[in-house]
Amino acid sequence: DPKIIQKPKYLVAVTGSEKILICEQYLGHNAMYWYRQSAKKPLEFMFSYSYQKLMDNQTASSRFQPQSSKKNHLDLQITALKPDDSATYFCASSRDRANQAPLFGEGTRLSVL
Amino acid sequence: GEKVEQHESTLSVREGDSAVINCTYTDTASSYFPWYKQEAGKSLHFVIDIRSNVDRKQSQRLIVLLDKKAKRFSLHITATQPEDSAIYFCAARSYGSSGNKLIFGIGTLLSVKP
Repeated sequence: DPKIIQKPKYLVAVTGSEKILICEQYLGHNAMYWYRQSAKKPLEFMFSYSYQKLMDNQTASSRFQPQSSKKNHLDLQITALKPDDSATYFCASSRDRANQAPLFGEGTRLSVL
Repeated sequence: GEKVEQHESTLSVREGDSAVINCTYTDTASSYFPWYKQEAGKSLHFVIDIRSNVDRKQSQRLIVLLDKKAKRFSLHITATQPEDSAIYFCAARSYGSSGNKLIFGIGTLLSVKP
């Protein structure tokens, strides 16, 4: 059974719309992350949360807003979508933010038309 | 900002040979270096890591070497098998001005030919 659940697996959106990417982890981890993988760039760190608090934000655009309603949830809201936002978005988690390898979810593949 | 350079974008070896993937990093404060494997269309899967208090770590056919002076680390896959074919990512935990985060290399596509 997957321990990090991302929904949906695939998502098609029109330019200018808004979408929410869902992530839940059932590992009892306290730290959660969002990463983005696109054809043009290496795997990019976006956000890290620890105990539901934002710790690091590497995303310049305010169009990307993480939301943590529960300790094991970290959703990603993306507004005013652009074609350049097309990528696979990975959620990951780890016990804490120290030296451990985060475990990754299966990803949400977003295509913006 | 901090960077991780992964030197081989593609690597092709024959089954049974060894494969070596090299990475360098810029943040002198980095102390943790994991490696991930990604098969086509799938997520990243953790394979091995090394911390800066050691310079070598082995897990079955995987060996990681770390040279802190040169800010270089490498993944050695011995006795390669076709199922080792995948993209391998190196990463370094950075504690720079932009916070505590894992920075990834661009990935190395490893092909193991029977």
